[in-house]
Amino acid sequence: AQSVTQLGSHVSVSEGALVLLRCNYSSSVPPYLFWYVQYPNQGLQLLLKYTSAATLVKGINGFEAEFKKSETSFHLTKPSAHMSDAAEYFCAVSVEQGSQGNLIFGKGTKLSVKP
Amino acid sequence: GAGVSQTPSNKVTEKGKYVELRCDPISGHTALYWYRQSLGQGPEFLIYFQGTGAADDSGLPNDRFFAVRPEGSVSTLKIQRTERGDSAVYLCASSLGTSLPPDTQYFGPGTRLTVL
Repeated sequence: AQSVTQLGSHVSVSEGALVLLRCNYSSSVPPYLFWYVQYPNQGLQLLLKYTSAATLVKGINGFEAEFKKSETSFHLTKPSAHMSDAAEYFCAVSVEQGSQGNLIFGKGTKLSVKP
Repeated sequence: GAGVSQTPSNKVTEKGKYVELRCDPISGHTALYWYRQSLGQGPEFLIYFQGTGAADDSGLPNDRFFAVRPEGSVSTLKIQRTERGDSAVYLCASSLGTSLPPDTQYFGPGTRLTVL
């Protein structure tokens, strides 16, 4: 069965510093992987997704993630944090390859950005 | 264009009551999903519709939960004999549902259900 683990429920960085949010997955078949962001009182918004094309995926707002099969990881990074990046971030894996099935989410990492 | 909308945004009910939560997906999206997000947790899958039929309802916790999508557009999640443990934010998402790899799921703002 697929699963997702996000290390660190809360990450705090200074404005301008590197953002690194960790996600490891477990899947018996090649997965589809997603990062979503949830701003306070708003719905989940897709940041980026890995769909077996390029292993380095670029998303919105300067975020990117690299799929590493050997490490079963899909960590999210951004070179320079901005105050507006403060939000909760969720990593998710698609249940079945090639289907329109549901997502399995991690527990989320809340990102705080200090001025 | 309009995104996924959910009504009501907040619902407070008493233990044992019946509630209905509504989801209006993005026009033209054939796939519709319901998730539940408890405090401090990620969204948890409940049920997935492709068109009018439930393609996967394995996430429904018990038979008090039921969902319909009679015309392949709007969906209603129904909870009977509500319990305090049902308190959560109920999220709806929709996607085009027509291509591979899986289409992006677009989420609504959620309905916050509180069972007293």
